[in-house]
Amino acid sequence: DAGVIQSPRHEVTEMGQEVTLRCKLISGHNSLFWYRQTMMRGLELLIYFNNNVPIDDSGMPEDRFSAKMPNASFSTLKIQPSEPRDSAVYFCASSHSRRDRGSGYTFGSGTRLTVV
Amino acid sequence: ELKVEQNPLFLSMQEGKNYTIYCNYSTTSDRLYWYRQDPGKSLESLFVLLSNGAVKQEGRLMASLDTKARLSTLHITAAVHDLSATYFCAVVRVVSGGGADGLTFGKGTHLIIQP
Repeated sequence: DAGVIQSPRHEVTEMGQEVTLRCKLISGHNSLFWYRQTMMRGLELLIYFNNNVPIDDSGMPEDRFSAKMPNASFSTLKIQPSEPRDSAVYFCASSHSRRDRGSGYTFGSGTRLTVV
Repeated sequence: ELKVEQNPLFLSMQEGKNYTIYCNYSTTSDRLYWYRQDPGKSLESLFVLLSNGAVKQEGRLMASLDTKARLSTLHITAAVHDLSATYFCAVVRVVSGGGADGLTFGKGTHLIIQP
């Protein structure tokens, strides 16, 4: 099992540019979560999906942020246009939605985004 | 709104000593997680606590859960330098009808263990 795979690992972009972060779920998992980590705000849940359907996007900071799951194993988080305050580490995590499985949440390695 | 509070946020201790990190949460939950994060790295799952009175141990770390008090503890016994890291607790909201829900994290406890 390759785990949750995120790309790119590092991204440096200029303010105003579009940024796309990618995440591949663990095989067999059907829930996908996007988190953002900053020193000031800690770990924040941005959005999550169950079975490809967005369940809660209340953590998405602004309309500049959007997330999709085009298929059961892959998700993208897009920021357009990017701003310096978006600089953070973005993690995705996957899990299985069946509560009786008591399953954990497996995190990817993260994407460190710097907007200059 | 579910809130999760950890204390202390920073802890410097000597090798060989014992200490406890506390995690309080504000609303009913049936699952609590502890994670470890090393600088520049991802989150590594340590423990999943699923019921009141649950206790789990791995090496020098032991976690417990009291759902009535909405409190979990992470106890470190005879600390060693390799345990230096940031430790997070995270709580899942109870969702009716089943289905996974997102984790709400505490601010983390930055632990430094000095020789």
